[in-house]
Amino acid sequence: AQSVSQHNHHVILSEAASLELGCNYSYGGTVNLFWYVQYPGQHLQLLLKYFSGDPLVKGIKGFEAEFIKSKFSFNLRKPSVQWSDTAEYFCAVARGGYQKVTFGTGTKLQVIP
Amino acid sequence: SAVISQKPSRDICQRGTSLTIQCQVDSQVTMMFWYRQQPGQSLTLIATANQGSEATYESGFVIDKFPISRPNLTFSTLTVSNMSPEDSSIYLCSVKTGGGYEQYFGPGTRLTVT
Repeated sequence: AQSVSQHNHHVILSEAASLELGCNYSYGGTVNLFWYVQYPGQHLQLLLKYFSGDPLVKGIKGFEAEFIKSKFSFNLRKPSVQWSDTAEYFCAVARGGYQKVTFGTGTKLQVIP
Repeated sequence: SAVISQKPSRDICQRGTSLTIQCQVDSQVTMMFWYRQQPGQSLTLIATANQGSEATYESGFVIDKFPISRPNLTFSTLTVSNMSPEDSSIYLCSVKTGGGYEQYFGPGTRLTVT
């Protein structure tokens, strides 16, 4: 069965620090990859997505993610975090041609002012 | 994208009762999904609700426990039947629009079963 692993469950950073959240998936075929964010008290929002083409994708609020096929990874990055980035981040994967999306367990990011 | 609303936003229910959760979308969508997010865990897909056909359930979820209706392209309901405390969770509705694979989520329904 397809699985998605997020290695960091809870990350604490100071403002202006750089962020990288890891995401690995188990499926070897064509994949569609996503990062979702859930701010405190709000619903899940799509941060960015990768379907094909340039493996470095840019999303909203200065976030980007890089798809490395050989490593089955889709890590999320931001060069300088802000207090407002405090949220829970979910990596998600859909196998090509299938509608089902599998979510990782999420990473809670806390940014300290 | 799509704007999705859910009712109720939260509820506290007694063991053995049932609760129906509504999901309304502001545009017509072909596919709607129901997820469960238990405390401290990730999202788990319960079923895919397709208009005009029966819902497709994931392993571990059955229609008798989680009946789903999809009467039109903008609305769906999920019923949590014969509830037990293990059903305490956040239930989320999501939709897929257009030809992409991304899904858009509603605000969720926080259910507590006592």
